[in-house]
Amino acid sequence: AQSVTQLDSQVPVFEEAPVELRCNYSSSVSVYLFWYVQYPNQGLQLLLKYLSGSTLVKGINGFEAEFNKSQTSFHLRKPSVHISDTAEYFCAVSTNTGNQFYFGTGTSLTVIP
Amino acid sequence: EPEVTQTPSHQVTQMGQEVILRCVPISNHLYFYWYRQILGQKVEFLVSFYNNEISEKSEIFDDQFSVERPDGSNFTLKIRSTKLEDSAMYFCASSERAGSKYGYTFGSGTRLTVV
Repeated sequence: AQSVTQLDSQVPVFEEAPVELRCNYSSSVSVYLFWYVQYPNQGLQLLLKYLSGSTLVKGINGFEAEFNKSQTSFHLRKPSVHISDTAEYFCAVSTNTGNQFYFGTGTSLTVIP
Repeated sequence: EPEVTQTPSHQVTQMGQEVILRCVPISNHLYFYWYRQILGQKVEFLVSFYNNEISEKSEIFDDQFSVERPDGSNFTLKIRSTKLEDSAMYFCASSERAGSKYGYTFGSGTRLTVV
């Protein structure tokens, strides 16, 4: 079975500061890894995904994430956040043969002016 | 950009009542999904649907749940006799191809409150 842990339920950060949102996963098989973002009153939007290849993946809005197989992590980073980055961020995994996602509980990022 | 539309955004229902949550997937998508998130918990897979039948379902998706694509554009989730523990945010999603690596497009969700 697959599972995802997002240890930080809330992350406040000042505008223009860097941020890291942590994600760890557990799986006995190879997985794909994803970060989704949910802005207020909107749907879940794909930020970035890791399927294979380079362990550093870049997504939309200046976000990037690094896949670390030995630490079973897929942390999301942004070097300088904006007010508009305030949202709920979800890490998710799926197996490379499957069709469903296993999500974490989400991290609420609040950017403080 | 094409969107998945869910209605209503918030629904309140009495325990024991039937509720239908509606979704309009992206028009050229063939695969449809429902997920839910109980407050403070993980987003959980409920069911996937393709070619007018369920292709996969979770343990949560028991006999009180059903899905339907009644008219070629809507995709509905019916809960026959709601319980307090059905209170959650329900997300609909669709995708053009099978396989999670292609990503889904999610709707903004329907918050269901059972009282």
